[in-house]
Amino acid sequence: QKEVEQNSGPLSVPEGAIASLNCTYSDRGSQSFFWYRQYSGKSPELIMSIYSNGDKEDGRFTAQLNKASQYVSLLIRDSQPSDSATYLCAVMGGGATNKLIFGTGTLLAVQP
Amino acid sequence: DAGITQSPRHKVTETGTPVTLRCHQTENHRYMYWYRQDPGHGLRLIHYSYGVKDTDKGEVSDGYSVSRSKTEDFLLTLESATSSQTSVYFCAISAQGVEEQYFGPGTRLTVT
Repeated sequence: QKEVEQNSGPLSVPEGAIASLNCTYSDRGSQSFFWYRQYSGKSPELIMSIYSNGDKEDGRFTAQLNKASQYVSLLIRDSQPSDSATYLCAVMGGGATNKLIFGTGTLLAVQP
Repeated sequence: DAGITQSPRHKVTETGTPVTLRCHQTENHRYMYWYRQDPGHGLRLIHYSYGVKDTDKGEVSDGYSVSRSKTEDFLLTLESATSSQTSVYFCAISAQGVEEQYFGPGTRLTVT
């Protein structure tokens, strides 16, 4: 059973701080990794994708991937109350598949 | 929502009745997916399609069938709804050669 694990939270951070969200996965052959943001009652919104080891930055968001440790993380700098949402980690396995395996998500609460 | 609509957005039905959910896209993307989202389980793939009339099972396909007769439409059918199929159902799409998936607004289904 291929798994993606996330701490369910809530992760509470003060406004302006860095929020660090973590995800581990079991399938060592996984090649593609995604972070989605989901506001309560809304659909998941893709915010970051990462495919190679290291860091990828997009605005206030940085995704980090370490395939040897089977670990992917999302950093949100200068956190805002509008960042309060559930963050879903998704992993696509190796081979000819478009199937995503999702973690259960981490609830982030940014306190004003 | 990346040119994706789902209908109906909300539905209440009784156990044993058939239900069909529709996903419609205007992006002309090859791949379409149906997920369900439940507390504690995250998003789980039900079925997906890699072209007109080409479909395959996902992680939780029992009790569901799908059809895709046109590129833009992907239908999910519950032949005989059960209370365990009460959930929020999301459709997603992705383009050929692109792994990122984009989600529709979702359908909240309640089976009483």
